[in-house]
This record gives sequence, structure tokens and C-alpha cells, in this order.
Amino acid sequence: DTGVSQNPRHKITKRGQNVTFRCDPISEHNRLYWYRQTLGQGPEFLTYFQNEAQLEKSRLLSDRFSAERPKGSFSTLEIQRTEQGDSAMYLCASSLGQGATEAFFGQGTRLTVV
Amino acid sequence: KQEVTQIPAALSVPEGENLVLNCSFTDSAIYNLQWFRQDPGKGLTSLLLIQSSQREQTSGRLNASLDKSSGRSTLYIAASQPGDSATYLCAVYGGSQGNLIFGKGTKLSVKP
Repeated sequence: DTGVSQNPRHKITKRGQNVTFRCDPISEHNRLYWYRQTLGQGPEFLTYFQNEAQLEKSRLLSDRFSAERPKGSFSTLEIQRTEQGDSAMYLCASSLGQGATEAFFGQGTRLTVV
Repeated sequence: KQEVTQIPAALSVPEGENLVLNCSFTDSAIYNLQWFRQDPGKGLTSLLLIQSSQREQTSGRLNASLDKSSGRSTLYIAASQPGDSATYLCAVYGGSQGNLIFGKGTKLSVKP
């Protein structure tokens, strides 16, 4: 295991379609985070899991977004009825332990909604 | 609400120069601070993590300092190389969630 893995790397979808992204964290990392990054901006927090429990969701995570982490391993982020404003880089990160420990990021999934 | 600011937004230097990137945050009640590097279209690579009780952290040609009381951190890069060209992001851990709050980054270009 060499790091956080995200799939797909790129996704182009038509407006109104549903998309799902996958994140495989570093083995044994109990915390998993999702961030969104638009051009020229820093990543913005969306949600995080401690093991299988989703502990926090940002106000950025509208009703069209849902995230899961079954069995505390990989995670999926689904966006329903995509809008052009959803176009962004979606980043996943994982960390080990409680609280503010070092976070390791994946390569991201670039979503383009046309 | 915690806000993180990075200055300058962009920086161009000749190869071999030493340089400093700045990061400031509005709420000094942070748990720690992390510096990242991001290449175009890529994810983030962790460079250094400074615990709130530490004043600085070093890794190779990189040295990061933290002054919680003034709400500032600096990333010092010694003897810059063209391969250092990237966007450098500063992020603080704050609040109960343990999530990172990022600045917008400094885009560094090192000219050969």
C-alpha cells in the first residue's frame, strides 16, 4: 500500500447525471476526509469519517451529496443530479489516530459537468 | 471562524535562491499546522507537520516555523531548484472536527 488511492482520476458527465467516486485510504488509517477544490482555491472540507461513522458534514455538502464508508475501509462520494457548479477536483485524505494527526491525500478525481 | 491567508499568491525566483513563503491564520487556537505541495492537476503531497507545541520543523531543504501567538507560519526553502516549482498550501487543524482549513496557496516558479 503506497498511499491514498482515488478512482476515477477524471470524470466527465452531463448535467443531471449521477456520479460516484471511490477512495481507498492508507491501510489502518481510521480517519477519512473528503475535500473539494476549485481552480485557484485551497481545498474545502466536505465531510469526514472515523472508522465507519460519518462524524461531520460541511454546509457545502448539499442534499445531492452523500458519502459512505462501509466497514470503515474504502469510501464513496456520490453526487446526484450534477450541476455545472459541481465541477471541481474532489480530494480524499486519510489519517491515523485521534484528532489532528498528519493527513495524506490522494491524487484526486477531476469532475467536469457539461 | 478560522481563516488562512497566504502571501504572496505567486512568486518567481531564479534557481539557487533562498525563499520564504508566508501563512497567517486568524484564530491562534490551532492544534497543528501542515504544509503541502501541489503540482498542476495533482493531489497534495505533505511536506511538514508542525505540532502546536513546536516552534519549527525541518525536512531536507525545507524549514517551517510556527508562531501561534502571532498567528503566523513560514516555509523556508533553501537553494531553490526548478523541481520546486509548484503551489504550496498551508493548512491548520482547528475546531472539534480535526479537519484542515486551507489557504489559497502560493504558486512558486523557479527559473533555471
